[in-house]
Order: sequence, then structure tokens, then C-alpha cells
Amino acid sequence: NAGVMQNPRHLVRRRGQEARLRCSPMKGHSHVYWYRQLPEEGLKFMVYLQKENIIDESGMPKERFSAEFPKEGPSILRIQQVVRGDSAAYFCASSPRGVFGLGQPQHFGDGTRLSIL
Amino acid sequence: AQSVTQPDIHITVSEGASLELRCNYSYGATPYLFWYVQSPGQGLQLLLKYFSGDTLVQGIKGFEAEFKRSQSSFNLRKPSVHWSDAAEYFCAVGANDYKLSFGAGTTVTVRA
Repeated sequence: NAGVMQNPRHLVRRRGQEARLRCSPMKGHSHVYWYRQLPEEGLKFMVYLQKENIIDESGMPKERFSAEFPKEGPSILRIQQVVRGDSAAYFCASSPRGVFGLGQPQHFGDGTRLSIL
Repeated sequence: AQSVTQPDIHITVSEGASLELRCNYSYGATPYLFWYVQSPGQGLQLLLKYFSGDTLVQGIKGFEAEFKRSQSSFNLRKPSVHWSDAAEYFCAVGANDYKLSFGAGTTVTVRA
């Protein structure tokens, strides 16, 4: 399967623990986007990354959340000291180029469902 | 800032009947418009997209959508639904060339 791969599919953490969510983009895609879906809501943009660079993190909470996309390996969304309100589905998307104007839609993974006990 | 409204939270349709899902957007420039479908526990699959040109766009699984600039709408249609079309459907607007803004979604139930 050459699609966007996210793992784990389900993650359970206790309050105060750390959560690490991984995303491997489609082959040939160097642009990665993270979205969060709260229950009964649509997806909300969090962050846009290219290899080794954060392009736009305007949707990321100011504290406890961080993202990276290293030169080698998957993109990581890291949530420190998780709280109940972090329970959500986190989706990663990728595209070959970073602009819709070039006709490139974003392709989504199956998401990570994060549950906080 | 851009926004997307999907007025119908839940729609029930009989198998074989037609389906239309509404989407209205607010965006100051030329929009990039998308419809995605999400099956339970799955990710989002792109049904179709509008970037420019012909305002009636064809997508996968027999879906089509029409962009109407005067009404700021991008409604999704299918002439005859199948039981496998039961899912949640999201309309999205692309802004700033890469940031997607999603509506809250419409859940479609298909009855036999």
C-alpha cells in the first residue's frame, strides 16, 4: 500500500503521559500536514511541515504540542503531559507539492485515535 | 478567514434513490474545493476536487459536484446510492494554498 501510513491506529494514555503519533507520507511526497478531529466535528488544521522545516504551525496549541519531520524517517506529532481534552482522532495528510494551485490535493492516512484515561 | 457550512448533519436515503449533500463556503478569493468521504474508523478518501475550469466536476464512485460561485456553494450529488455509500461526508475549502478548512460533516444512512 503506497498510501499515507499512520501508527499506531489507536493509542491510550493516562493523563500526564506523553503521546507520539507517527506519519509516513506517500512515496514521493515531501509535504506533511496534521489535522485534529474532535468528536462530532470536522477536521481542524494543526501544522504543515516539509522535510526538516515547520512551514505553518498556526493551528497548534501553544503548549505541550510539537511536530517534526526529520530528513530521515516519519513525521512525529508529540503531545506532552496529555489531558482529557486531547482525546481526538489525529490525521496526517501528504502532498507532492505544497500548493493547491498546482493541482495537488492532500491525501489522508487512516488516523490515530487517541484516548486519554 | 474561510469557513465551510454543511447544513445537514444527518441524511437518510433509500438505496437506489438520489442523494444531494449541501456545502456553502465563505472565502474571499478563488476557492479550491474538495469533497472527502470517511467510513467508520477510517481515514478520509478524496471523492473529487474543483480547482478551476468546468464547474461540474466528476469524481470517484459515481459522485459529482457543481461549483456555483454566485451561491458560494459546492453541492455533492449521486443519482443512485448504494448501501456502501453510507459514511460521513466532508466538504473542504483550500486556503493559503495548502490549508484545508472542513465543514462539520454530513452523515449519510442508507436504508434498504
